[in-house]
Amino acid sequence: EVQLLESGGGLVQPGGSLRLSCAASGFTFSSYAMSWVRQAPGKGLQWVSVSYSGTTTTYFADSVKGRFIISRDPSKNTLFLQMNNLRAEDTALYYCVREEASRAFDIWGQGTKVTVSS
Amino acid sequence: SYELTQPPSVSVSPGQTASITCSGDKLGDKYACWYQQKPGQSPVLVIYQDKKRPSGIPERFSGSNSGNTATLTISGTQSMDEADYYCQAWDNNVVGFGGGTKLTVL
Repeated sequence: EVQLLESGGGLVQPGGSLRLSCAASGFTFSSYAMSWVRQAPGKGLQWVSVSYSGTTTTYFADSVKGRFIISRDPSKNTLFLQMNNLRAEDTALYYCVREEASRAFDIWGQGTKVTVSS
Repeated sequence: SYELTQPPSVSVSPGQTASITCSGDKLGDKYACWYQQKPGQSPVLVIYQDKKRPSGIPERFSGSNSGNTATLTISGTQSMDEADYYCQAWDNNVVGFGGGTKLTVL
């Protein structure tokens, strides 16, 4: 079964850091671009970042550029999101998503909750 | 960022046709996708490449995209289709999502 399992969320103070992980299973992780998408409480979906397969190419939403780093460990089939200098507006459920060939997000994890508050 | 605009809400009677629009600059030149999200659940892809349905998505879901507007159409809407719907498209290596449309079946 194709599956994405996020972890690492929690409560952090403004200015703090957090590292999210996404464990992939049931497919060839190294063959797919992977993104993080977040959803603030009661709000819509917001794309955060993408990591392309086979390269070190990454892109970020303007709102997180310079603060977040996306990376992957192919040996562990795991995607990461290092979040630094966190702000209250980063509070959200963070989803790990797989991007299929036509660039649609066909597989979503269940999400991991991040709360930034003092 | 790439901005996409959706109506906040759409209402439809059971068995009727629901249409949800998504507007963006030259959206017709890009591929549009649509996601369904029910309360407490992760989003599910229902339309990709403007009009294609993933395996397992009912035929009553269809899509189109031209000019600046993409449209998700649900024919013979059922109560189980009540959900939030989001459009999405790529623009220069960044992703835009619409603000979401709450579909009410009443």
